[in-house]
Amino acid sequence: VTQSSRYLVKRTGEKVFLECVQDMDHENMFWYRQDPGLGLRQIYYSMNVEVTDKGDVPEGYKVSRKEKRNFPLILESPSPNQTSLYFCASSATGVGDTQYFGPGTRLTVL
Amino acid sequence: ELKVEQNPLFLSMQEGKNYTIYCNYSTTSDRLYWYRQDPGKSLESLFVLLSNGAVKQEGRLMASLDTKARLSTLHITAAVHDLSATYFCASWDTSGTYKYIFGTGTRLKVLA
Repeated sequence: VTQSSRYLVKRTGEKVFLECVQDMDHENMFWYRQDPGLGLRQIYYSMNVEVTDKGDVPEGYKVSRKEKRNFPLILESPSPNQTSLYFCASSATGVGDTQYFGPGTRLTVL
Repeated sequence: ELKVEQNPLFLSMQEGKNYTIYCNYSTTSDRLYWYRQDPGKSLESLFVLLSNGAVKQEGRLMASLDTKARLSTLHITAAVHDLSATYFCASWDTSGTYKYIFGTGTRLKVLA
């Protein structure tokens, strides 16, 4: 699982596009944010192409799954409270399969 | 609502000692996962526990699952410095969604 940016710094309201690509032919893909003291929280997930659903903290985020290998996370108008470490993950077909995580993107919104 | 709680949150231990990290989850779920995260790194899968009574071991780490008590444990035997990391347990919400819930993590520091 690859995430193109390790560090990003953006200004409030400046659109952010976080890339996530997996080459394992996995059906399922996920986005998480990690914040100190809160662990990892699921933002969105996708069970297949064109099939997405909200996780626990979807507000302020959008996703799309137009092809199997690609699952970008979009922050249309980011705010400072979206400063976080973002992880993308993927898993194979079965429900509950182990997830494989990307390296993470540390986003700072000023 | 599925909740996953770990304790302790921080653990400092001497090399050679044994200790256990506990993971309680609040709704019925037949799967429990353990991950390791090194500082500044991503998460790495350690164990997948699929049923009541499941036990998995890898080196000095052993994980077990008791679905009746809704408890999983990660036992560390004769700790070494290389085990210093943050350990997360996670579980699925089995109510028809695909929400994957993580505990807040246990930061383990093994002192030489």
